Amino acid sequence: QVQLQESGPGLVKPSETLSLTCTVSGGSISSYYWNWIRQPPGKGLEWIGYIYRSGSTKYNPSLNSRVTISVDTSKKQFSLKLNSVTAADTAVYYCAGEDCSGGSCYLKYWGQGTLVTVSS
Amino acid sequence: DIQMTQSPSTLSASVGDRVTITCRASQSISTWLAWYQQKPGEAPKLLIYKASSLDSGVPSRFSGSGSGTEFTLTISSLQPDDFATYYCQHYNNYPYTFGQGTKLEIK
Repeated sequence: QVQLQESGPGLVKPSETLSLTCTVSGGSISSYYWNWIRQPPGKGLEWIGYIYRSGSTKYNPSLNSRVTISVDTSKKQFSLKLNSVTAADTAVYYCAGEDCSGGSCYLKYWGQGTLVTVSS
Repeated sequence: DIQMTQSPSTLSASVGDRVTITCRASQSISTWLAWYQQKPGEAPKLLIYKASSLDSGVPSRFSGSGSGTEFTLTISSLQPDDFATYYCQHYNNYPYTFGQGTKLEIK
């Protein structure tokens, strides 16, 4: 069973860069698309982007200019960087593994989520 | 971006009730739709993908249907564990977007 665990600072200052890492265990990092999704407190879910093992990425245009997702297959980790953060970026950030086998894609595996607060 | 609209936003029901949640897409997404269940303080959990395929381990009281722009999630007989928030999500193209959520409350 694939398990995901987010890690990173829980507090980031405005205008700085939010950095999170997701560690994959119990499965191959080569088998899935690796996504980041966020959820502001009390609100809905927003897809941030994904990376595949090849390094190919896709980002939400609403964040495109500020976001970078990278992967380190040797460490079985993938990472999120979001720069120039504001209070609006305060959210629980989830990493998720997307299964695209069988002709359909879905966010099958989720980390527990980590709250990142943007505040001075 | 494709907009996903769920109704109702809140639903009050009792154990044993049959409930239906609707999700509408702003344009056709074929059957590229998933449903998730989220409980407070937890990550979303996949229930259904490709509009009607039940994920492994999900109880058979959950079912999904629809295609194009209108979709439904039905719980045939509510159990105490089912009171949660439910989200639909399309994966027809990028960016993926989610519905605003339907909170299922105990009546």
